[in-house]
Amino acid sequence: AAGVIQSPRHLIKEKRETATLKCYPIPRHDTVYWYQQGPGQDPQFLISFYEKMQSDKGSIPDRFSAQQFSDYHSELNMSSLELGDSALYFCASSLRDTYSPLHFGNGTRLTVT
Amino acid sequence: LAKTTQPISMDSYEGQEVNITCSHNNIATNDYITWYQQFPSQGPRFIIQGYKTKVTNEVASLFIPADRKSSTLSLPRVSLSDTAVYYCLVGDSYNTDKLIFGTGTRLQVFP
Repeated sequence: AAGVIQSPRHLIKEKRETATLKCYPIPRHDTVYWYQQGPGQDPQFLISFYEKMQSDKGSIPDRFSAQQFSDYHSELNMSSLELGDSALYFCASSLRDTYSPLHFGNGTRLTVT
Repeated sequence: LAKTTQPISMDSYEGQEVNITCSHNNIATNDYITWYQQFPSQGPRFIIQGYKTKVTNEVASLFIPADRKSSTLSLPRVSLSDTAVYYCLVGDSYNTDKLIFGTGTRLQVFP
């Protein structure tokens, strides 16, 4: 079965640079979620989109923004990168109008130097 | 804030049954209970979900008492490959609670 696809798998950036992470949800899933997981930490919810509109907002820094496109893929844009942004970034998708669990991708590992 | 509390860590040996309990005293009427498993550097993976009583699938069982203030994930006959972090999440489709990961339980399985 098709899974959530994230790209790139690894990304290395310098401080103050920008980064764009992409997420392709499972076909027919209408909701996309973004999480950040620092080393040794639990996943932190950042933001979610339902039918291309922002639906929930977590602890997303103002330097980050995200959107969901007409084909339901989503992008997380990160600007003015800081060393503390180094983390695994996970995308998940689900069907909102059910008790559908979240299906996660394998993440993008961002390293800020 | 996460609505759940779990033990931080557990140890077991191969072939044993492991039970991980999650407390969710403030669970709401519409909330479901969902468990995820996470291996290092991988995304969390759905294990099992339930609302009340008992749910069983090919990898685990989920026991939920009548008051629903706790739940227990049961892993039968664990193997080394079950070494992972296990998370319990509580919420419904329309609130953010179901999206919040608390501190999971780190299960270490020894040979």
